[in-house]
Amino acid sequence: DIQMTQSPSSLSASVGDRVTITCRASESISSYLNWYQQKPGKAPKLLINAASTLQSGVPARFSGSGSGTDFTLTIISLQIEDFGTYYCQQSYDTPVTFGPGTKVEIK
Amino acid sequence: QVQLQESGPGLVKPSQTLSLTCTVSGVSTTRGGYYWSWIRQTAGKGLEWIGRVHKSGTTNYNPSLKSRVTISLDMSKNQFSLNLNSVTAADTALYYCARVNVTGDLFFDCWGQGTLVTVSS
Repeated sequence: DIQMTQSPSSLSASVGDRVTITCRASESISSYLNWYQQKPGKAPKLLINAASTLQSGVPARFSGSGSGTDFTLTIISLQIEDFGTYYCQQSYDTPVTFGPGTKVEIK
Repeated sequence: QVQLQESGPGLVKPSQTLSLTCTVSGVSTTRGGYYWSWIRQTAGKGLEWIGRVHKSGTTNYNPSLKSRVTISLDMSKNQFSLNLNSVTAADTALYYCARVNVTGDLFFDCWGQGTLVTVSS
């Protein structure tokens, strides 16, 4: 299985801050990398697919980049509603696997 | 608006079979371009993909669960189901059904709200 890691595991930031979350795959996955946001008590919500394609309705302050083994999710100006846990997920190979998550808290 | 809704027992005894159904509305499961999938979440292991089914009948399972899992699709009811046999406490989890978009990339673009299943005697 392809192992996914994320850093940091948690972060606390202020409204307006730039936030960067890193995801690393144990082997090259090209651009087969997706990002999800999960809020407490809710299902994950797809934010970005194919490493950098923003889903319809997702605010433009979210962006994704990377290819191969290293990827980033950036929130250019953190908003209060951006709290939650963010997961990366690779779809390069079966079984698809998820990262352990990055919990984002608002200061 | 596409919606998925899980249903099934919230408590299953050890060694028995966990059975869940996902009812899909707003889109037909006969429509091409999608798989239908089950994912579970625990505090210890995080998000774990269980498997998926296509309208063609093709299934793919996580090798870690493959010997115990069956996922099936009932297009007449617009539902798909999960059966996991010989359960143990390690199968206690929040179970989600999700739609897999396979147009190019593979991603989970629509999820149910999740249903908690506890394995206990």
